[in-house]
Amino acid sequence: AQSVTQLDSQVPVFEEAPVELRCNYSSSVSVYLFWYVQYPNQGLQLLLKYLSGSTLVKGINGFEAEFNKSQTSFHLRKPSVHISDTAEYFCAVSDDKGYQKVTFGTGTKLQVIP
Amino acid sequence: GAGVSQTPSNKVTEKGKYVELRCDPISGHTALYWYRQSLGQGPEFLIYFQGTGAADDSGLPNDRFFAVRPEGSVSTLKIQRTERGDSAVYLCASSRDGYEQYFGPGTRLTVT
Repeated sequence: AQSVTQLDSQVPVFEEAPVELRCNYSSSVSVYLFWYVQYPNQGLQLLLKYLSGSTLVKGINGFEAEFNKSQTSFHLRKPSVHISDTAEYFCAVSDDKGYQKVTFGTGTKLQVIP
Repeated sequence: GAGVSQTPSNKVTEKGKYVELRCDPISGHTALYWYRQSLGQGPEFLIYFQGTGAADDSGLPNDRFFAVRPEGSVSTLKIQRTERGDSAVYLCASSRDGYEQYFGPGTRLTVT
């Protein structure tokens, strides 16, 4: 069984400031890792994913995440946030095989302050 | 192209009633997933179809929940004898390659 912990339920940050959203996971097998974003009243959209290879993964909208196996973490970062980044962000994990169910964290609400 | 669509967008029903929620996946996607998202929580896996068959139904909470995908495309999630605790947003996702899941907008179910 796998689990995902997002310790920060809400993160306020000023516009143009950097942000890091933390994610830790637990699994007895090798994993794939994902970050999804959910804008208000919209569906989930994939930001980025780690399947294999380079541990630094770049996604859409200027976001990136780094897979750290020893710390079982997959933190999401952006060097300069915009108002439009205000949304809820979900970290997720699956077994490292295709077509697996995804286990989500409880989400982090990013509030960008003008 | 068209994304994953779900109908209805909102459903209000009375406790004890039967409901059906529909998901239209992206054309050509063989894998289809159902998740449930309760208020303040992340999505929780319910069931996964590969083609017409349920490959993993380990997330269905009890036998009141059932899902079908008879022709390998559209799927229907069926809930019998609804309870107030079933109130949530039900999300559908589809995948072509098994690595990236594309989510629909969800159906918000309210059981009164």
